[in-house]
Amino acid sequence: GAVVSQHPSWVICKSGTSVKIECRSLDFQATTMFWYRQFPKQSLMLMATSNEGSKATYEQGVEKDKFLINHASLTLSTLTVTSAHPEDSSFYICSARDFQGRSGGEQYFGPGTRLTVT
Amino acid sequence: QKEVEQNSGPLSVPEGAIASLNCTYSDRVSQSFFWYRQYSGKSPELIMSIYSNGDKEDGRFTAQLNKASQYVSLLIRDSQPSDSATYLCAVSIPGGFKTIFGAGTRLFVKA
Repeated sequence: GAVVSQHPSWVICKSGTSVKIECRSLDFQATTMFWYRQFPKQSLMLMATSNEGSKATYEQGVEKDKFLINHASLTLSTLTVTSAHPEDSSFYICSARDFQGRSGGEQYFGPGTRLTVT
Repeated sequence: QKEVEQNSGPLSVPEGAIASLNCTYSDRVSQSFFWYRQYSGKSPELIMSIYSNGDKEDGRFTAQLNKASQYVSLLIRDSQPSDSATYLCAVSIPGGFKTIFGAGTRLFVKA
């Protein structure tokens, strides 16, 4: 149980284009999903908290107009990187919490999406 | 003061030894504690959860929690080269809506 998928697993795009990354909880409902970014050899950095049916909460310093988050259902959240630039190249990882919180707050991570902007 | 602190390492242990990973946290109301393992280039994987003081064992892994000292640790017995990874300590406050991650400790198990 507690499987989270991400799609695509890797993507290469040209500077100025937009990229959408999907995060799905496959066997549980997730009212809350989280988006992280991780640069090589660095720590996880929380970008935003995605809540089903409401606006995402962004961490300080993260541009909400550049990183658009939509959490349209209890099993799907999407992150769109708009007008991507080479400095946005990174490893983007989503995670999800079990809907009923039975787990005590564990987050289950997707496999990540490696974005390269040329 | 960082909310969750870990020694960045690297921690190097020989194969078969016990690896001891430590973590301290600053928020006394923290309620849930987790250890994640992250291999290079991969996403984190949950390996242990602990909620009450004391020890919790799962196979070769033992998590230890001391809320009075705001300290949580992970012991890996009979360490294997495949255990070489970065281990992330994570802490949730009541309600569990936000989890704070430490920066991780890199572990190397030498064959």
